[in-house]
Amino acid sequence: QKEVEQNSGPLSVPEGAIASLNCTYSDRGSQSFFWYRQYSGKSPELIMSIYSNGDKEDGRFTAQLNKASQYVSLLIRDSQPSDSATYLCAVPNTGGFKTIFGAGTRLFVKA
Amino acid sequence: GAVVSQHPSRVICKSGTSVKIECRSLDFQATTMFWYRQFPKQSLMLMATSNEGSKATYEQGVEKDKFLINHASLTLSTLTVTSAHPEDSSFYICSASLGRNEKLFFGSGTQLSVL
Repeated sequence: QKEVEQNSGPLSVPEGAIASLNCTYSDRGSQSFFWYRQYSGKSPELIMSIYSNGDKEDGRFTAQLNKASQYVSLLIRDSQPSDSATYLCAVPNTGGFKTIFGAGTRLFVKA
Repeated sequence: GAVVSQHPSRVICKSGTSVKIECRSLDFQATTMFWYRQFPKQSLMLMATSNEGSKATYEQGVEKDKFLINHASLTLSTLTVTSAHPEDSSFYICSASLGRNEKLFFGSGTQLSVL
């Protein structure tokens, strides 16, 4: 069974700080990697996607991918209370037809 | 971006009744849709992959006779929870993608409460 592992948290950071969320995956054949944000009682929404090694920045968000280490992370700069949510790491399996989700990391940003 | 509409958003029903949840892709054709279930404070668990014009593929441990999936058109997939019981109470979410290795577009979810 291919797996995606995340620290469930909760991760608590003060407002304005950098939040760092980590994820490892087991399927070496995976080609794309996604971070979704989910507020309580709502469905997930896409935050970032990354396909190649290195960093990808979008506003306050930076995704980092290291395929050799099978590791993907999400950095949130200048964290805001509205960033408080569960962040899901998602990795389509080899073949790309099925997306495996991590358990999610709960982030709390304290005002 | 692509839009996936899910209805209803909330259902409260008596034990033993059946509940149908609809998932529609509004501005694209989805040959494949996915149904997830999520219990409180837990992650998304894939229940089944819905394929247009063919039988759904169920994940291990998911009862296909209890969770009936129909994907009769390229824009509509339905999940019917048959003879629902309190343990079926959960948040059900559908999703679709534009292709392999692509991001998922999620419906807004259905909160099912079985009394």
